[in-house]
Amino acid sequence: EAAVTQSPRSKVAVTGGKVTLSCHQTNNHDYMYWYRQDTGHGLRLIHYSYVADSTEKGDIPDGYKASRPSQENFSLILELASLSQTAVYFCASSPGLGVTGQLYFGEGSKLTVL
Amino acid sequence: GDKVKQSPSALSLQEGTNSALRCNFSIAATTVQWFLQNPRGSLINLFYLVPGTKENGRLKSAFDSKESYSTLHIRDAQLEDSGTYFCAASGSNNRIFFGDGTQLVVKP
Repeated sequence: EAAVTQSPRSKVAVTGGKVTLSCHQTNNHDYMYWYRQDTGHGLRLIHYSYVADSTEKGDIPDGYKASRPSQENFSLILELASLSQTAVYFCASSPGLGVTGQLYFGEGSKLTVL
Repeated sequence: GDKVKQSPSALSLQEGTNSALRCNFSIAATTVQWFLQNPRGSLINLFYLVPGTKENGRLKSAFDSKESYSTLHIRDAQLEDSGTYFCAASGSNNRIFFGDGTQLVVKP
């Protein structure tokens, strides 16, 4: 069974503060992703990575950075959190079939920026 | 999303009945994925499809790339089927696009 774990599961941050969301996978998958879900909507891709020490921009990268220090770990960094970044963030991994492989999601991290 | 349109947006079913959810694509989709987001918020894989059909228990999904749509059929709906169903399509631009979901409530 695929295993993607995220931390923290929930966080309250202040506007202008720094937030780091972490993701760890034990699937031995090459690809990892960060998605954002806003209430009542589907998921949108922020950043992704297909190899350690390299990240790529997704569809909504502004205001976010990503870091892939190893195959297993992928972090999403908000250097200056803003109210508009309040959302649920999902990490996912997929096997080496390109960006469009089957996605396996973590449990999500609910971020509230006040 | 504007590239993946799901219908209906919401649906209420009586336990034991059947229904079908649909996704229409405005991209030349090559693969489709279906997920269930349960009431706890977890995203559960249901199907990963190239053009064709797959079946898993009471669920069956079809993907027609020529007509640019996919369907998810639920047979004998159970209370635990409640949640939001998302489809996601990918195409030659190497991106996965999600629809906005169908909220399903199964009532006893």
